[in-house]
Amino acid sequence: DIQMTQSPSTLSASVGDTVTITCRASQSIVGWLAWYQQKPGKVPKVLIYKASSLESGVPSRFSGSGSGTEFTLTISSLQPEDFATYYCQHYISYPYTFGQGTKLEIK
Amino acid sequence: QVQLVQSGAEVKKPGASVKVSCRVSGYTFTAYSMHWVRQAPGQGLEWVGMINPNTSWTNSSERLRGRVTMMRDTTTNTFYMEMSRLMSEDTAVYYCARVNGDYQNWFGPWGQGTLVTVSS
Repeated sequence: DIQMTQSPSTLSASVGDTVTITCRASQSIVGWLAWYQQKPGKVPKVLIYKASSLESGVPSRFSGSGSGTEFTLTISSLQPEDFATYYCQHYISYPYTFGQGTKLEIK
Repeated sequence: QVQLVQSGAEVKKPGASVKVSCRVSGYTFTAYSMHWVRQAPGQGLEWVGMINPNTSWTNSSERLRGRVTMMRDTTTNTFYMEMSRLMSEDTAVYYCARVNGDYQNWFGPWGQGTLVTVSS
């Protein structure tokens, strides 16, 4: 199975900051990676797919990059509604494993 | 529009089984595979398994294999996930999540989630 490791587990930031979350795969997943945002009590929502493609309707302050085994999610100019938990997930082969999540907190 | 509507919360005793349903509408039932994801209280997302509704081919997490079964009913446009020999560690919200589209295997639409509580 491909393991996905996110860092950091928790991130404290302020409105207006730019933050980066990293996701590493235990073997190459090419670019078959998605990023999801989940708010407490809510269903996860896709932000980025194919490592760098922005889902329709998602603000352009969200961006993704990377290929192979290392990927990043960057959120520019943080807004209050961005404080949530973020997960990466590969979908190159079964099982489609998720990273353990990164909780973005208000500083 | 695409909708995934899951069955209601369940409380089960250890050793029992649970069957969660996910009724879909707004698209061709057999077009896209359906996945199941679970989330224990305060924890992250865990992929449980998937089913191809066209062929009924399934794949599941190795650590759950043997206890989890995924099915579909083409007459009612409903997917099912059944888990047997429940343990307290299976307490979680279970989501159905559909792949986004053809060759778009990230998860697009999700069900609202079903809380399964395993407690004696």
